[in-house]
Amino acid sequence: SQQGEEDPQALSIQEGENATMNCSYKTSINNLQWYRQNSGRGLVHLILIRSNEREKHSGRLRVTLDTSKKSSSLLITASRAADTASYFCATAAPGAQKLVFGQGTRLTINP
Amino acid sequence: NAGVTQTPKFQVLKTGQSMTLQCAQDMNHNSMYWYRQDPGMGLRLIYYSASEGTTDKGEVPNGYNVSRLNKREFSLRLESAAPSQTSVYFCASSEWGGTGNEKLFFGSGTQLSVL
Repeated sequence: SQQGEEDPQALSIQEGENATMNCSYKTSINNLQWYRQNSGRGLVHLILIRSNEREKHSGRLRVTLDTSKKSSSLLITASRAADTASYFCATAAPGAQKLVFGQGTRLTINP
Repeated sequence: NAGVTQTPKFQVLKTGQSMTLQCAQDMNHNSMYWYRQDPGMGLRLIYYSASEGTTDKGEVPNGYNVSRLNKREFSLRLESAAPSQTSVYFCASSEWGGTGNEKLFFGSGTQLSVL
């Protein structure tokens, strides 16, 4: 069964706008990760946030984590056409040996 | 840097045929994984190997077998392919071994169709 659920399933915005994607999960976690998948390619790791962190930045990416609400958000600022991809959250429960992925958000950046 | 290499990239099988998907990583990682990706289902873990010499079932292991040939290579075998196994298969690796606390490195995938 899926641990994380992304929302929305699909998002289409204009280039230069900000894109926000959300991830909700069901059980306690050690960390939460975000991955990007370009069409026809494998997933690429973007950022990892640990359960004791609330916010993390990497370039134009900002990730927040609210463990009380069991949710995370990924913000991409000043979007570019190259950001068009699917974005997945993945969680690891305490003691778990593996990541569990959500279903993904498909982001389209229109020029 | 090659990273994680999967072969083949595409494969068409008839129901009942068998085949092996190959995966190799050149990053000296301890852990390796096989996922399948279906539309609207995200990625689901089939099998993983936390370290050389060990393998464990994931979420959807039925119909598959794996072999951790050595530290570099982790293969996935379909003994008798079924249409339900039509999917995109991804191999991944991570450095330290199955803790769930580290990032994964993915191959580019194998698109498999079973007719």
